[in-house]
Amino acid sequence: DVKVTQSSRYLVKRTGEKVFLECVQDMDHENMFWYRQDPGLGLRLIYFSYDVKMKEKGDIPEGYSVSREKKERFSLILESASTNQTSMYLCASSLGWAWTGLTEAFFGQGTRLTVV
Amino acid sequence: GENVEQHPSTLSVQEGDSAVIKCTYSDSASNYFPWYKQELGKGPQLIIDIRSNVGEKKDQRIAVTLNKTAKHFSLHITETQPEDSAVYFCAAIPGGTSYGKLTFGQGTILTVHP
Repeated sequence: DVKVTQSSRYLVKRTGEKVFLECVQDMDHENMFWYRQDPGLGLRLIYFSYDVKMKEKGDIPEGYSVSREKKERFSLILESASTNQTSMYLCASSLGWAWTGLTEAFFGQGTRLTVV
Repeated sequence: GENVEQHPSTLSVQEGDSAVIKCTYSDSASNYFPWYKQELGKGPQLIIDIRSNVGEKKDQRIAVTLNKTAKHFSLHITETQPEDSAVYFCAAIPGGTSYGKLTFGQGTILTVHP
């Protein structure tokens, strides 16, 4: 089974702290994604990476950065956490490009982040 | 960029009834449309998908239809069961070099009453 593992289920951080969310996948997938899930807004893409050290902004990158030093690991960084970043964060991975047919995205269990 | 709208936001049905969730998309070049189910405390999981060269796809009690002209696609669940209760998301991948980047709808909370 494909496994996408997020390092924490629940996190509570203080405003202004630097926060690291870690994600590891075990299927040698090229693509990795960070989404944010809020009620009524669905899943919104923050950043994605299509190769080691490669990254692209998604739809809501402000206040976030990412790091992909190894193929299996994709980190989301909140440089200075704010209360409006309280949310559920979901990591996903997938293999290949859209026209190969190998585009199923596998998700981690999510990290519920609360910024106080 | 791609925009995906999903309706309804909540859906309540009796066990055994059918449930239909509808989505529209904006990018006519989109070519892949998956549906994800998210159970409480878990990440979303793919339940069915359809590609742009197919109009309908079935897998046991679930089916998806795609109308490329109207740019909408729908999820149909027949003979609903309490374990179908979850949040359902539709999504689309735009055409071109999108690296499999998914754009999601807002989600539908489905409740199946025994």
